[in-house]
Amino acid sequence: DGGITQSPKYLFRKEGQNVTLSCEQNLNHDAMYWYRQDPGQGLRLIYYSQIVNDFQKGDIAEGYSVSREKKESFPLTVTSAQKNPTAFYLCASSREQGSYEQYFGPGTRLTVT
Amino acid sequence: SQQGEEDPQALSIQEGENATMNCSYKTSINNLQWYRQNSGRGLVHLILIRSNEREKHSGRLRVTLDTSKKSSSLLITASRAADTASYFCATIAGTYKYIFGTGTRLKVLA
Repeated sequence: DGGITQSPKYLFRKEGQNVTLSCEQNLNHDAMYWYRQDPGQGLRLIYYSQIVNDFQKGDIAEGYSVSREKKESFPLTVTSAQKNPTAFYLCASSREQGSYEQYFGPGTRLTVT
Repeated sequence: SQQGEEDPQALSIQEGENATMNCSYKTSINNLQWYRQNSGRGLVHLILIRSNEREKHSGRLRVTLDTSKKSSSLLITASRAADTASYFCATIAGTYKYIFGTGTRLKVLA
């Protein structure tokens, strides 16, 4: 089945630890995205990547880092510098032009205590 | 903030009724999309309306777009309990950056 996967579904970490969220797609999409969603809120863009080895900061990139070494993979690291990391994180992908629909993964709920 | 504003924030209706939700932006709208999100899940694309279109239908969905008012509406006709979800609009800024609305939480009572 073609799709986009995120793992794990739930993640718990202690404050001060870095944590990496996985995102993989087999849709052959060039563009990939990371969003953060807080309870009852819309999606806010963290980072996006148009092509391998290239990525751009979104609206709330501080405290996050990404890499795009392979077309299929776009991992997100939540660093200890992120002040409020507890949130629902969504990864998405789309074809090369922005007018196409985005395909979303099932999300990772990160809780930092 | 560039986020789109959606209203109402929450909507509760009886099964069989129509549900209307609205979305507006402060910036120009380019190819407006609507997505659905079931609780705790990822978003699913519902429909895309291009900047040169004013209205589009897909099954029980009807979307309108008014680029001069920078707004769009989503109508779900003959709603079902399974339509219970959050609905988000999204537009494109530049080539790749999507800007989502704040969402409308729809509850359809059986």
